[in-house]
Amino acid sequence: KQEVTQIPAALSVPEGENLVLNCSFTDSAIYNLQWFRQDPGKGLTSLLLIQSSQREQTSGRLNASLDKSSGRSTLYIAASQPGDSATYLCAVRRAGGFKTIFGAGTRLFVKA
Amino acid sequence: DGGITQSPKYLFRKEGQNVTLSCEQNLNHDAMYWYRQDPGQGLRLIYYSQIVNDFQKGDIAEGYSVSREKKESFPLTVTSAQKNPTAFYLCASRDGSYNEQFFGPGTRLTVL
Repeated sequence: KQEVTQIPAALSVPEGENLVLNCSFTDSAIYNLQWFRQDPGKGLTSLLLIQSSQREQTSGRLNASLDKSSGRSTLYIAASQPGDSATYLCAVRRAGGFKTIFGAGTRLFVKA
Repeated sequence: DGGITQSPKYLFRKEGQNVTLSCEQNLNHDAMYWYRQDPGQGLRLIYYSQIVNDFQKGDIAEGYSVSREKKESFPLTVTSAQKNPTAFYLCASRDGSYNEQFFGPGTRLTVL
């Protein structure tokens, strides 16, 4: 059974700092991994999608990496801004299946 | 603009009532999903549909029902059999090319 864990559960950093959010999963037979952002009371916004054959994806100040063999993904945020404050969730879609398993998220607060 | 809409944004239900949450998408996606989100937890799958007139139970389907009569629409009914329905409900669809999930803004259901 696939389990997805995100550590830390919460993180507070000063503005301008580079930071890394972690996501680990127990079954390496994945189809893809997706990182989302969620603002309070809102839906999820897709940030980056990494297919199982890829090692990383980049969008602006965001870079996500995938290491299937170790069951890990990281989301790197460069030069953090107060507007980056949100909850970040990773989600893993199992190979050969239609379900996606979500982590509980990391709540990020960037102080001005 | 293409996207997913959910209505209402807030919904209040008396005990013993059935309520229906609306989800509409104009992204031309075949697959649609309903998730439930509780504080501090990851998203849990209620139902999913891969194609019109077909749907499958997710991990927590008891007390819920769905229909998929049109590609664009995937309404969720929360029945009186659902004992703890107070939660944030999220609808999603998935594109068939890159298998990326997109989410609606959510409906917050509260039982009075």
